[in-house]
Amino acid sequence: AQKITQTQPGMFVQEKEAVTLDCTYDTSDPSYGLFWYKQPSSGEMIFLIYQGSYDQQNATEGRYSLNFQKARKSANLVISASQLGDSAMYFCAMRVSFGNEKLTFGTGTRLTIIP
Amino acid sequence: DAGVIQSPRHEVTEMGQEVTLRCKPISGHNSLFWYRQTMMRGLELLIYFNNNVPIDDSGMPEDRFSAKMPNASFSTLKIQPSEPRDSAVYFCASILGQGTDTQYFGPGTRLTVL
Repeated sequence: AQKITQTQPGMFVQEKEAVTLDCTYDTSDPSYGLFWYKQPSSGEMIFLIYQGSYDQQNATEGRYSLNFQKARKSANLVISASQLGDSAMYFCAMRVSFGNEKLTFGTGTRLTIIP
Repeated sequence: DAGVIQSPRHEVTEMGQEVTLRCKPISGHNSLFWYRQTMMRGLELLIYFNNNVPIDDSGMPEDRFSAKMPNASFSTLKIQPSEPRDSAVYFCASILGQGTDTQYFGPGTRLTVL
């Protein structure tokens, strides 16, 4: 069975600094996708970034990048130049097995940006 | 374009009552998902449909829960009878098709069962 682990329940970061949110995963399936979602206090789930297991390069989307280390089974989210609006819960998720699109989520990391 | 639409946004009901949550996926999306979020269990998939057919309902907690997707633009999640432990935020999400990258989530329905 697949599993996502986020070991940082909470993080405090100074505004404008970069922050790395950790995510490790476990699956025996060679084909999988990794996702990061942001959940602000308003409650909605906002898609941030996606990495496929066969992608040769790390994914980037604006200030978000994904540090994908396949051998270590890690998919850390890096946010550059953090802003106050980045304060939120962040969830790492995985999809395995083409044909079954369900996502398995980690427990999340609560990020607080300090002015 | 409109995103995933869920109604109601908030629901407060008493134990034993029937609750129906509604979802309209993004137009043209072929797969729809129902997730539940609680403090204790985090985010967990309840059921998902592809082309209106249930594909994986292994997360449906028990017979009190049922889900339908009568057409491509509408789905319901029903709880009958409701219990206090069903209190949670219920999210609906949709994707364009199998193998595509992103599930887009609705705003969620916050259910409180007294």
